[in-house]
Amino acid sequence: DIQMTQSPSSLSASVGDRVTITCRASQGISNYLAWVQQKPGKAPKSLIYGASSLQSGVPSKFSGSGSGTDFTLTISSLQPEDFATYYCQQYNSYPYTFGQGTKLEIK
Amino acid sequence: QVQLVESGGGVVQPARSLRLSCAASGFTFRSYPMHWVRQAPGKGLEWVAGISYDGINEYYADSLKGRFTISRDNSKNTLYLEMNSLRGDDTAVYYCARVPSNWGQGILVTVSS
Repeated sequence: DIQMTQSPSSLSASVGDRVTITCRASQGISNYLAWVQQKPGKAPKSLIYGASSLQSGVPSKFSGSGSGTDFTLTISSLQPEDFATYYCQQYNSYPYTFGQGTKLEIK
Repeated sequence: QVQLVESGGGVVQPARSLRLSCAASGFTFRSYPMHWVRQAPGKGLEWVAGISYDGINEYYADSLKGRFTISRDNSKNTLYLEMNSLRGDDTAVYYCARVPSNWGQGILVTVSS
């Protein structure tokens, strides 16, 4: 199975900051990498697919990059609604796997 | 717009069975693989199972050890998850998903005596 490792596990930032979350795959997954956002008590929401393509309706403050084993999610100009938990997911091969999540908190 | 609506959850005793359903709309259901993902209380997301667009191929998380079965009825635009021999650690919110784009609202399954 492909292991997905996110870092950091938690992150404190202020409104207006720019933050970057990293996701590393235990083997190459080309660009079959998605990022999802989850707020407490809510269903996950897809942000990015194909490592760098924004889902429809997702603001351009979210951006993704990477290919192979190393990926990043960058969120610019943080707003209160961006504080949530973020997960990466590989869908290159079964079983699909998630990273452990990064909880983004307000400083 | 795409909608995925789960149903069939609730409280079930250990060792019993339960079947979840996911009604899909807003896209050509028969053209897409579909998945179930779960989240135990206070934990992260765990992929559970996936099924090919035509229902021929099924894929499962290793941890399930044959207890769960995913299926679909393309004539009804519905995805299913049959869960057998349920245990306490199967307690979770179960999400239907069209990876990597869409998620249902989730349905809670509680395994407890």
